[in-house]
Amino acid sequence: IAGITQAPTSQILAAGRRMTLRCTQDMRHNAMYWYRQDLGLGLRLIHYSNTAGTTGKGEVPDGYSVSRANTDDFPLTLASAVPSQTSVYFCASRGSEADTQYFGPGTRLTVL
Amino acid sequence: GQNIDQPTEMTATEGAIVQINCTYQTSGFNGLFWYQQHAGEAPTFLSYNVLDGLEEKGRFSSFLSRSKGYSYLLLKELQMKDSASYLCAVMDSNYQLIWGAGTKLIIKP
Repeated sequence: IAGITQAPTSQILAAGRRMTLRCTQDMRHNAMYWYRQDLGLGLRLIHYSNTAGTTGKGEVPDGYSVSRANTDDFPLTLASAVPSQTSVYFCASRGSEADTQYFGPGTRLTVL
Repeated sequence: GQNIDQPTEMTATEGAIVQINCTYQTSGFNGLFWYQQHAGEAPTFLSYNVLDGLEEKGRFSSFLSRSKGYSYLLLKELQMKDSASYLCAVMDSNYQLIWGAGTKLIIKP
C-alpha cells in the first residue's frame, strides 16, 4: 500500500441498507477526514479524527458515523442509507497541523 | 459565517495564461491551499501560501493577500492536460480546511 486506499471504488445501494466505506493509510498520519463531494457544492466535511481514539463532527455529519480504532484505518458507516447520500466520498489524511491533506481515490456511492 | 468564493468556470486557450481568483472569509487563518482535480479523480495538492506574496512553482504560481482575504492561482503556458477543476481551501483556526466549490478550467486548442 502506498498512500491512502479506499474501498469499494463504487457501490449501488438500496435505500435503508447499512454500508461501510473503508479507508486505510500507510503514512502514519495522525489526522484523517471524510468528505463528500457533490456537483456545485465542493467538498464538505462529514467527520474527522485528529488522532487514533478520537473523532469529531464536520459540517454534514447526520446519517454517518465513524470510528478510529488505530492510526491506519478510518471507516465511515451509513446506518440506513437514503438517496440524498448519493455522492462521491473522499477520505483524506494529514501529518502535521499545517501540512497538506492527501486524498484517497474516492468511492462513488449511489443510493436508490 | 465562513465563505470561500471562486468562479464556477473559466475558459482559456492552449499556450496562454489564466488567473483563477479566490476570496475568503473564515474564522482564523492558518494558510491557503490550491488543489487540482481532474474529472473522476481525487484532488491533488498544488500550492500553499501562509504569508503574503507570490509563491512560484514551475508553470504555476499562487498569490496571497491576507489583508484583502484574496488569493489567485496563475497558470502559464497552458496545456490541454491543465483542463481540470481548481479548488481553493483555507485552513481555519482549528486546522480544518474550508473549501470553495471549485473552478472548472476548460482549455481550448
